[in-house]
Amino acid sequence: GAVVSQHPSRVICKSGTSVKIECRSLDFQATTMFWYRQFPKKSLMLMATSNEGSKATYEQGVEKDKFLINHASLTLSTLTVTSAHPEDSSFYICSARGDRGHNEQFFGPGTRLTVL
Amino acid sequence: AQKITQTQPGMFVQEKEAVTLDCTYDTSDPSYGLFWYKQPSSGEMIFLIYQGSYDQQNATEGRYSLNFQKARKSANLVISASQLGDSAMYFCAMRGSGNNDMRFGAGTRLTVKP
Repeated sequence: GAVVSQHPSRVICKSGTSVKIECRSLDFQATTMFWYRQFPKKSLMLMATSNEGSKATYEQGVEKDKFLINHASLTLSTLTVTSAHPEDSSFYICSARGDRGHNEQFFGPGTRLTVL
Repeated sequence: AQKITQTQPGMFVQEKEAVTLDCTYDTSDPSYGLFWYKQPSSGEMIFLIYQGSYDQQNATEGRYSLNFQKARKSANLVISASQLGDSAMYFCAMRGSGNNDMRFGAGTRLTVKP
């Protein structure tokens, strides 16, 4: 199957700093990428959808100025958590869809963010 | 709006036996896809099986099969011959034809007992 990578896998930062998470599709072109957030023992909640070259579409309740998403190429999307606070601590998972079949969507391994 | 419901927060099964994980959904889309994912403690999302709403036959993938009952809007996952490595969180998900995004149920934690 297709591979989606995320970097970093874990990050610990101080409150007030910004953190960038990268999501890459390694062997296919991802026309659409999704960012999910998952709290401990909870489900994945969609934060935003991004199409290459256009602005991301954010879900209701997700602050677009807080969670900056850039889908600059067909293989890379980034999520920047700006001025992170402890309540932003969570597991962030990216997902990508490409041109390999209408039902295929691949997930990255996730990034665990801890804000002190 | 789409809604996915998994009513079993936790399930136990004896090794080598079969187990059914429930999933019901609600959508106004005439065409949609249903997915099951496994999430072990490492956090990665592992794709298990897909069912299209117009597929005539229930999907099967090895030990995984999907009991798709369209009229009841249910898409239960059946795992046969459970193995200890099957212990994980299992998520049901749906994507509509008009939507690009995938929505998830609350998940079911499966524990396989030796």
